[in-house]
Amino acid sequence: GAGVSQSPRYKVAKRGQDVALRCDPISGHVSLFWYQQALGQGPEFLTYFQNEAQLDKSGLPSDRFFAERPEGSVSTLKIQRTQQEDSAVYLCASSARRVGVAEQYFGPGTRLTVT
Amino acid sequence: GESVGLHLPTLSVQEGDNSIINCAYSNSASDYFIWYKQESGKGPQFIIDIRSNMDKRQGQRVTVLLNKTVKHLSLQIAATQPGDSAVYFCAENTVLIKAAGNKLTFGGGTRVLVKP
Repeated sequence: GAGVSQSPRYKVAKRGQDVALRCDPISGHVSLFWYQQALGQGPEFLTYFQNEAQLDKSGLPSDRFFAERPEGSVSTLKIQRTQQEDSAVYLCASSARRVGVAEQYFGPGTRLTVT
Repeated sequence: GESVGLHLPTLSVQEGDNSIINCAYSNSASDYFIWYKQESGKGPQFIIDIRSNMDKRQGQRVTVLLNKTVKHLSLQIAATQPGDSAVYFCAENTVLIKAAGNKLTFGGGTRVLVKP
């Protein structure tokens, strides 16, 4: 299958630990998005890459959140000094186009629980 | 997998009946709208989309209606099946404003439970 994959699927971190979440987009997809989904709510935008360029990071909740996509394919979302309020499902999506109407394909998400 | 939405509005539907899910969107500048289906433990899955120059679009067993005057979107599912049980989200985008990128703004979601 050539869908979006994410790892790990589940992550438990103690408060204060750093975590790194990985996203493998669909091969050839130019655009990559990260969303955060709290329990019982819709996904909320975090950040957007076009190839390796991070064009929008307006949704990152604090400077503890950092995302990169150095070679324009795989992306990593890093959260430093995790807090309980960071507990959520982190979704990655990719899209074939740069702008305009384009379907975003979502991965299964990584559920982060901070204890 | 864990439940996507424990405190979402719920629509209970008898198998074979039609379902209607409603969504109020917030941004009058939004020009592209999508409905997503999310099953427990999975990411959102595209169902159908509609651009703001249309007021109705039909797919296979699904119809999306857009009322820009009152900023309202609805999803109709015909002959609802057990496999339709999931959480449904509407999402909006402003594709004609390039600076906005393609980020989606999601609504709060509705859980659909199909009773056999």
